Amino acid sequence: SQTIHQWPATLVQPVGSPLSLECTVEGTSNPNLYWYRQAAGRGLQLLFYSVGIGQISSEVPQNLSASRPQDRQFILSSKKLLLSDSGFYLCAWSRGGSTDTEAFFGQGTRLTVV
Amino acid sequence: AQSVSQHNHHVILSEAASLELGCNYSYGGTVNLFWYVQYPGQHLQLLLKYFSGDPLVKGIKGFEAEFIKSKFSFNLRKPSVQWSDTAEYFCAVKIGSGNTGKLIFGQGTTLQVKP
Repeated sequence: SQTIHQWPATLVQPVGSPLSLECTVEGTSNPNLYWYRQAAGRGLQLLFYSVGIGQISSEVPQNLSASRPQDRQFILSSKKLLLSDSGFYLCAWSRGGSTDTEAFFGQGTRLTVV
Repeated sequence: AQSVSQHNHHVILSEAASLELGCNYSYGGTVNLFWYVQYPGQHLQLLLKYFSGDPLVKGIKGFEAEFIKSKFSFNLRKPSVQWSDTAEYFCAVKIGSGNTGKLIFGQGTTLQVKP
């Protein structure tokens, strides 16, 4: 069966520090991968998605970037965090090669920038 | 830009009342449609999905949704809610045909069911 791992679960970082959130998927190959930010009253904001290694689509210009160095690994990064980067970040995957699929979500990371 | 809009942000119902949550999307091409639910403290999970065929789809726990293409809508319904339906509900749209990968969500609707 497929599983998705996202870590860390919580993170407190100072303003100006770098960020690296990692997400890995097991039990499937060539998945579509997603990073979302969830905020109260704003739903899930799509940040980045990827349909293959090295293929990243950015939805929201901001202080963050994403990379997919391996087929089942998706990393969310920032060189210098801002206070406004605080939030709840969710990684998700769906089966690649078809639109006839649903997305499965990780447990999320609560990021607090202080 | 493509977007998904959920009209109701916070809904309060008594048990046994009927539920309808609105969802509209802005995209003129092929879409696949989803409703997800997030119970307190839990992950997002799929309620139901529409890809093709019968526009009335049935999901888990007695939920159903109807795709009306002409209205760009995919409203969620349940004839009689229970206290355990208290949760946040999200409408989502996968944009385009083929494996475009783009999946966008609405703002979410918080449903509170009073016993």
